[in-house]
Amino acid sequence: NAGVTQTPKFQVLKTGQSMTLQCAQDMNHEYMSWYRQDPGMGLRLIHYSVGAGITDQGEVPNGYNVSRSTTEDFPLRLLSAAPSQTSVYFCASSYRPNRAINSPLHFGNGTRLTVT
Amino acid sequence: AQSVAQPEDQVNVAEGNPLTVKCTYSVSGNPYLFWYVQYPNRGLQFLLKYITGDNLVKGSYGFEAEFNKSQTSFHLKKPSALVSDSALYFCAVRDDNFNKFYFGSGTKLNVKP
Repeated sequence: NAGVTQTPKFQVLKTGQSMTLQCAQDMNHEYMSWYRQDPGMGLRLIHYSVGAGITDQGEVPNGYNVSRSTTEDFPLRLLSAAPSQTSVYFCASSYRPNRAINSPLHFGNGTRLTVT
Repeated sequence: AQSVAQPEDQVNVAEGNPLTVKCTYSVSGNPYLFWYVQYPNRGLQFLLKYITGDNLVKGSYGFEAEFNKSQTSFHLKKPSALVSDSALYFCAVRDDNFNKFYFGSGTKLNVKP
């Protein structure tokens, strides 16, 4: 059971480049989300999805796009990378409350992104 | 809106001593509270969650958390700290619509031999 898998582990981009961070889970979780972690700021929610075909914005969505075509995958796209997007990105998933109330989030191991 | 606060950036404790990592919360409905631990270069790992009616919740690795409704607190505790407990700890709350988790800023726990 792999849990939540994120690729790549590390990435360096130049300003203006685009890329996609991949996230896949094999726990049949309906809910998936993306966070960024910056020193002293904890985790901030970028986008989330409560099921295939449904996405919504979190606290810091600007500069990022998501889609959810399957239950398993939730890729995060950086449209035009900026140095302010240098961060560690985490994907996380859980059951929806109507299936398992109080279900905790399960996290991937993160992608460390540097934009120069 | 839901929120959690972790008032201490860092907690230092000697191995074998009890430890407490503090968390206070603000919720508009029922509190769905969690503790997570993060080791270097890893994702967050679930430690424990609040279960309605239980003021003391037990979790993984010997950790427990004390829920206090009047003080709106959910402090993480362990009776005897280990050096291997040194890590970053996050408190989190899930909102009423259950679609967002809000995390505290994290507390770095240092356990010295």
